Amino acid sequence: DPKIIQKPKYLVAVTGSEKILICEQYLGHNAMYWYRQSAKKPLEFMFSYSYQKLMDNQTASSRFQPQSSKKNHLDLQITALKPDDSATYFCASSPNWGVSAETLYFGSGTRLTVL
Amino acid sequence: QQKVQQSPESLSVPEGGMASLNCTSSDRNFQYFWWYRQHSGEGPKALMSIFSDGDKKEGRFTAHLNKASLHVSLHIRDSQPSDSALYFCAASEHNDNNRIFFGDGTQLVVKP
Repeated sequence: DPKIIQKPKYLVAVTGSEKILICEQYLGHNAMYWYRQSAKKPLEFMFSYSYQKLMDNQTASSRFQPQSSKKNHLDLQITALKPDDSATYFCASSPNWGVSAETLYFGSGTRLTVL
Repeated sequence: QQKVQQSPESLSVPEGGMASLNCTSSDRNFQYFWWYRQHSGEGPKALMSIFSDGDKKEGRFTAHLNKASLHVSLHIRDSQPSDSALYFCAASEHNDNNRIFFGDGTQLVVKP
């Protein structure tokens, strides 16, 4: 059974619209993350959360807003979508926050295509 | 400049052969290194971590780290078709922000 569930697996949106990517983890981890993978760039860190609190943000655009309603839940809201936002978005988690050398555990991703 | 560089971009080896993947870093603050593997349609999965200089062996996989030259390698012996995947090198500093940097990946194809 997958321990990090991402929904939906595929998403098609039109330019200018808004979408929410869902992530839930059942590993009992205290830290959660969003990464983006596109053809043009390697896996790219976006956000990290711990106990529903934003810990680190590497995303310049405010169109990307993480939302955490529970410790094991981290959604990603993307507004005013652009074709350049097309990518696969991965949710990840690690056992702890603030500890060096933490291995990341990834979900299977949401592939977003913006037309 | 990208902090983690991988080579080659792609690699093809015969079944039963040895695959060697390389990774170098431009950031001397990196202390911790991983190899992740991603099969098509799936998320990356940690394969091995290596934090000390020298070799680390897990089954058919051997990682080698040289912190002085910031070079990490992964060697897969007796390669299997199921090893065909995208392999990422990843690195992080000794700090409390949990940020891990990934390379572009090496696409490995193991031909039966």
